[in-house]
Amino acid sequence: GENVEQHPSTLSVQEGDSAVIKCTYSDSASNYFPWYKQELGKGPQLIIDIRSNVGEKKDQRIAVTLNKTAKHFSLHITETQPEDSAVYFCAASKSASKIIFGSGTRLSIRP
Amino acid sequence: EPEVTQTPSHQVTQMGQEVILRCVPISNHLYFYWYRQILGQKVEFLVSFYNNEISEKSEIFDDQFSVERPDGSNFTLKIRSTKLEDSAMYFCASSWTSGGYNEQFFGPGTRLTVL
Repeated sequence: GENVEQHPSTLSVQEGDSAVIKCTYSDSASNYFPWYKQELGKGPQLIIDIRSNVGEKKDQRIAVTLNKTAKHFSLHITETQPEDSAVYFCAASKSASKIIFGSGTRLSIRP
Repeated sequence: EPEVTQTPSHQVTQMGQEVILRCVPISNHLYFYWYRQILGQKVEFLVSFYNNEISEKSEIFDDQFSVERPDGSNFTLKIRSTKLEDSAMYFCASSWTSGGYNEQFFGPGTRLTVL
């Protein structure tokens, strides 16, 4: 069935260093890959997304890559800051359908 | 900036009682969703709704659950007879169109506690 695997489950990095979160998906029909940031007690907030016709996308300190052949996609955060501490979810979706979430990565930024 | 809103933020109920969770999606959106998140776990899809009918539902969405869009703005999730295991955060989401890409915006959630 449809599944999204996410690693690592927890990640601790020094402030200023980079953080990388990796995901794989099972449904080859998936064409949209959003990343959500969830802070304590809040709903998931879309921070960046990538579509299947693109291999890479960047928005300031955040970048996402997609390898459709391998069904891998990843999130890169550079120059991490304390406010980047949160739970990050990768997800996959196909046209007019539900979003399948990964299990989440708890990112902690050490001062 | 338009956003999805949900009420109440926290609902406490006794096992066996009915609850209705309410959502106001972004006004020009056409697709509506409910998801839930049990504490510490991933966000799970419950149901999607388009053109006044359910378009997709998960195994979780059994006969105890129903959804309704009673007017042009609200979208509700009803649980007829709550169970302890229904305790979770419930998120409403909406999207403009599939258009090949399904950008969904989430509300802040309702925390449901079943005692």
